[in-house]
Amino acid sequence: DQQVKQNSPSLSVQEGRISILNCDYTNSMFDYFLWYKKYPAEGPTFLISISSIKDKNEDGRFTVFLNKSAKHLSLHIVPSQPGDSAVYFCAASVGSNFGNEKLTFGTGTRLTIIP
Amino acid sequence: DTGVSQNPRHKITKRGQNVTFRCDPISEHNRLYWYRQTLGQGPEFLTYFQNEAQLEKSRLLSDRFSAERPKGSFSTLEIQRTEQGDSAMYLCASSSQGITYEQYFGPGTRLTVT
Repeated sequence: DQQVKQNSPSLSVQEGRISILNCDYTNSMFDYFLWYKKYPAEGPTFLISISSIKDKNEDGRFTVFLNKSAKHLSLHIVPSQPGDSAVYFCAASVGSNFGNEKLTFGTGTRLTIIP
Repeated sequence: DTGVSQNPRHKITKRGQNVTFRCDPISEHNRLYWYRQTLGQGPEFLTYFQNEAQLEKSRLLSDRFSAERPKGSFSTLEIQRTEQGDSAMYLCASSSQGITYEQYFGPGTRLTVT
């Protein structure tokens, strides 16, 4: 049962334009969401996160939007740069009294920025 | 702080052999996680520790897998009697207990079972 879904395996965007990566989830208990970026032969690198009590979080060129009613989140990158070419993973966590626990990941979207 | 480190980076072994991987977390982090990633998939949770206590194990972690974190610092993941299906990238992550959920990953150990 894939609880976190990234339905677009790949995306190509012109340099300077906006990249929009999408993620859907099914588990209504998820209350914290994260985006990771992964280059080949490296571990995932944390990019940005959002709590379920918010609908938007922004950090520089990266903005994450959360639509709880639709169980959907998206990552916007603007402007897109060649160094943004990587695989992007959406991840989610169920909060608890113990704090952070396991992350459930999507299957990833390969973003290619075209110069 | 040099981040999370993992050794070895690559391991090739023959089916039936035992292998052990090591993870050194970020020094001030008390939580340590192991994940496995196969081709075309996202990382899948295996187990995690808070200090030296192993708090959760995934059903993916068969009896052939064992993880330890004896002094609450580094951790080891051992796979006994390896099978070809164990071939994957094994990722370690660490975090500090608190109000944020970010986990910081190491570069991974790529295991190939021949």
